Amino acid sequence: GQQLNQSPQSMFIQEGEDVSMNCTSSSIFNTWLWYKQDPGEGPVLLIALYKAGELTSNGRLTAQFGITRKDSFLNISASIPSDVGIYFCAGLNSGGYQKVTFGTGTKLQVIP
Amino acid sequence: NAGVTQTPKFRVLKTGQSMTLLCAQDMNHEYMYWYRQDPGMGLRLIHYSVGEGTTAKGEVPDGYNVSRLKKQNFLLGLESAAPSQTSVYFCASSLGPGELFFGEGSRLTVL
Repeated sequence: GQQLNQSPQSMFIQEGEDVSMNCTSSSIFNTWLWYKQDPGEGPVLLIALYKAGELTSNGRLTAQFGITRKDSFLNISASIPSDVGIYFCAGLNSGGYQKVTFGTGTKLQVIP
Repeated sequence: NAGVTQTPKFRVLKTGQSMTLLCAQDMNHEYMYWYRQDPGMGLRLIHYSVGEGTTAKGEVPDGYNVSRLKKQNFLLGLESAAPSQTSVYFCASSLGPGELFFGEGSRLTVL
């Protein structure tokens, strides 16, 4: 089946630093989604990207849909302690039933 | 606003027992999904439904069954639980394909 490779798997950063994480696939996707999961909660949608090359921001978060449609990245600027959690990318494929495939997640720890 | 509600939130089963997880959504969404989350493996799709009365297999359907008799409910059943089914189960719904709304999860332990 389709696989999404997320990197890094985990990261420790100092409060105030910027963070970058990415997601790559061997398949083309029509839509890229970025979710955040707080401990003990379900994932919550952060940003949705619908066109190749699209760059979208949501507060301190910025995400881009790669030109090849096989990758996406998420940046967090000026991190704060509540940014702690697991970030998942997800891709929506084309054709037939449009199934959402999730990456394995990037676990972010912010050191105050 | 309830959104997506899962019950129960925690359950411990013995090997071979059966149980049903219930997911209810109040957003009038057509699509509903069941995922399992295991450490280091992200979210894997078990079964999904694109509308009332329809179900389909996802990536890891073996050992599970589902039913969508009402649009707002999606049930996940384990007929004979195995330790490999110890996991956190998430239900999600969406208006169309793509932007999923998740429940808070159901933590299942099979001894």
